[in-house]
Amino acid sequence: DAKTTQPTSMDCAEGRAANLPCNHSTISGNEYVYWYRQIHSQGPQYIIHGLKNNETNEMASLIITEDRKSSTLILPHATLRDTAVYYCIVRAIKAAGNKLTFGGGTRVLVKP
Amino acid sequence: DVKVTQSSRYLVKRTGEKVFLECVQDMDHENMFWYRQDPGLGLRLIYFSYDVKMKEKGDIPEGYSVSREKKERFSLILESASTNQTSMYLCASSSTRQGLSSGANVLTFGAGSRLTVL
Repeated sequence: DAKTTQPTSMDCAEGRAANLPCNHSTISGNEYVYWYRQIHSQGPQYIIHGLKNNETNEMASLIITEDRKSSTLILPHATLRDTAVYYCIVRAIKAAGNKLTFGGGTRVLVKP
Repeated sequence: DVKVTQSSRYLVKRTGEKVFLECVQDMDHENMFWYRQDPGLGLRLIYFSYDVKMKEKGDIPEGYSVSREKKERFSLILESASTNQTSMYLCASSSTRQGLSSGANVLTFGAGSRLTVL
């Protein structure tokens, strides 16, 4: 699996957009980019995933660069409840197992 | 609407005890996983299973075993608990069919079981 690099932490103002970068310069053509987050004392929660195209759902948007070497997760209007650790993971889909390896993630603090 | 249920939220055990951590999912998922999470070390995969009676070692299987006798249940066993196994244990499940059809490798996690070994 390709390695990912994320900033250790970042702050964001409530109501503003939060842009979380992830570098995955060794990504392979069949590997997807996944984002999860973990709110304190809870299990990680899936946010969004993408292969080549930008994606949007009710939680966030995912912007993947044309060369696929990096991506950005965008929380359009951050709330205090978005304070969490955000994990960027790169993984190819396989027929069985599909285990995910979680790195250190980015600790996001949304401030009032 | 809880989909992955871990049997105990908090456990306190003594060194040398045999410990069972149970996980049940109601989504008919093929894959199930056990992770542990420690401060500064993140989530580390202990074991996973992609089918009934099938199991594969993750990154840190030493000191653990697992059992998957039924599709919905995945048990983590500590044969002889030690203090360095004090941790938060997280169970997760995912669908192989969903992954192959959409690329969505969506793991659904339980709330976690915090184990303290004295």
